[in-house]
Amino acid sequence: GDSVTQMEGPVTLSEEAFLTINCTYTATGYPSLFWYVQYPGEGLQLLLKATKADDKGSNKGFEATYRKETTSFHLEKGSVQVSDSAVYFCALAGGYQKVTFGTGTKLQVIP
Amino acid sequence: GAVVSQHPSRVICKSGTSVKIECRSLDFQATTMFWYRQFPKQSLMLMATSNEGSKATYEQGVEKDKFLINHASLTLSTLTVTSAHPEDSSFYICSARSGTANQPQHFGDGTRLSIL
Repeated sequence: GDSVTQMEGPVTLSEEAFLTINCTYTATGYPSLFWYVQYPGEGLQLLLKATKADDKGSNKGFEATYRKETTSFHLEKGSVQVSDSAVYFCALAGGYQKVTFGTGTKLQVIP
Repeated sequence: GAVVSQHPSRVICKSGTSVKIECRSLDFQATTMFWYRQFPKQSLMLMATSNEGSKATYEQGVEKDKFLINHASLTLSTLTVTSAHPEDSSFYICSARSGTANQPQHFGDGTRLSIL
């Protein structure tokens, strides 16, 4: 079945540092890929998405490129802010209705 | 756009009480709605998937008589936790989607349920 593997957290960075959160997936066919962000005590918000190979999703300075050859969808941001502190979930939507989520990576940005 | 409203945001009640949580898509028609449960510091666990006008499809291990799901319209789904017990305490999150599986799900802000 489909699966998503994210790097374990927590990830602690200083403000303005470069962020990478790794995400790899296993799926049949050509899934759509998503990154969601969850702030403390809140639900999930869609951060960005990519629907086919080589697509780059971007939003709020975050980027992720759909790499079919490495089955990866790593999340990057050039300069993180304290307000980016949250839990980030990588997810894929395969051929059926279900979305498969990774276990989440907690990011803590310190001033 | 694509706003999902979930309420209440927090419920505290006594053991044995039934609790209803509402999930509404405010500016789009949600052909499919999902209910998740999230344990502390863990990922989301899909409980059930519901399509408007149809019975919900429950994930393995989720008691359908315990967690009643109704998706009566394209903008509203409800989850009722019947005869809640302390082990049902959790963070419940709904999401809604229009169209097919490659469309993103839009999430509510979650409901923190605490059973005393």
